[in-house]
Parts: sequence; C-alpha cells; structure tokens
Amino acid sequence: AQSVTQPDIHITVSEGASLELRCNYSYGATPYLFWYVQSPGQGLQLLLKYFSGDTLVQGIKGFEAEFKRSQSSFNLRKPSVHWSDAAEYFCAVGLYNQGGKLIFGQGTELSVKP
Amino acid sequence: DTAVSQTPKYLVTQMGNDKSIKCEQNLGHDTMYWYKQDSKKFLKIMFSYNNKELIINETVPNRFSPKSPDKAHLNLHINSLELGDSAVYFCASSQGNRGDGYTFGSGTRLTVV
Repeated sequence: AQSVTQPDIHITVSEGASLELRCNYSYGATPYLFWYVQSPGQGLQLLLKYFSGDTLVQGIKGFEAEFKRSQSSFNLRKPSVHWSDAAEYFCAVGLYNQGGKLIFGQGTELSVKP
Repeated sequence: DTAVSQTPKYLVTQMGNDKSIKCEQNLGHDTMYWYKQDSKKFLKIMFSYNNKELIINETVPNRFSPKSPDKAHLNLHINSLELGDSAVYFCASSQGNRGDGYTFGSGTRLTVV
C-alpha cells in the first residue's frame, strides 16, 4: 500500500542554521511528490513539488528538495532557517489517476531557537 | 480574492447533533476534496468530487454525507455527531488528477462535547 513516512516528529534548529526534513515514500509507480507547510490555525501551503525531470527542485521561501529514487526519499532542505519558518511540514505523494488523492506523512513540527 | 473558503471556522456542538460545513472555491477547479486532520495532525482524505461526481469515498462512516450542488461548492453534512468526530476538516480544490495545484481552505475546527 502507498505510504509516506516522516521519521522526525519534532525538530528544533537555531535561527540561521541549516535544515533537513526527511521524507520516505512507498509507491509502486513514479510518484508525484509534494511538501506542504502549515502554520498554526491555517490551511496548507504548497512549498514545492516533483513530477519528473531534474531531481533537485526549488520551492518558495528558499526551500529545496531532492528526489532520490534509489532511497525512495524526498528530503526538504533550507540552508538558513528563519524564525518565521517555525511551522508543521508535511510530505505527500499524489496518486496518478486516483482522483487527485494525496497521501500525507505524519508531519514534522519545526521549532526555531533564537 | 481567489481562494477556497469554508464556513464556519469553529464549530462546537453536542453529541448526537447534526451539523454542516460549507466550502466554496472560485478558482475554476474541477475537483474538490474533504480532508480530516486528527488531534495528532495526521491528514487523511475523506471524499473527492470531480465536476459534481463523487470520485473518492474513503471508508468514511455513512453519517458523513458530502454534497456538491455545482463544481464550485462542496458541503459536508454530519449526522449524529460523536466525540471521535472532533477534528479539523479541510476543504481543498485542484485541477486535474495528479494531486497538483491543491489550494486548501483554512479549516473548520469541529469540537464535539
């Protein structure tokens, strides 16, 4: 069955430090992969997506992610974290021809220390 | 503003009551969804509609009944509310079937007491 795993429930980084959030997926076909961010009391905002082509994708707010088929991973990175990046981050896989359904990981809560 | 708007934002109700959540999108998308986010922030799809036709129904209790009067609206009616229904419900819309281009509403926090 399709699944998405985010191994880290909560991560704390210092402002200005680099960030990597992990995501592993299980899906038989080529996945459509997404990272979303959710601020408290808000809906989800798309950070970036991967469908095909270049395995390093750039997103909004200075985020990037790298698709590694051999590791079934799609990790999110940012070279320098800002206090405003504190939020919940969700990795998701889109299932082709299944009505646009997204399977989400459990989420990673990011805290930023001053 | 172009958006997905859902009402109400907060809903507190007693067990056994019936309630509805409304959702509207003005993005011209052809697919709309309901997702449930539980207390552990886990998001799971409940329903999707494409041009008013039910496409996905993810083993949701039949107390939950979505209704799509047109492709810009998708409402969620819940009968006989239970404590376990307490969650945040998100409406979303997208164009096409790749899971691409989702726009989420800001959510409805339902609390059943």
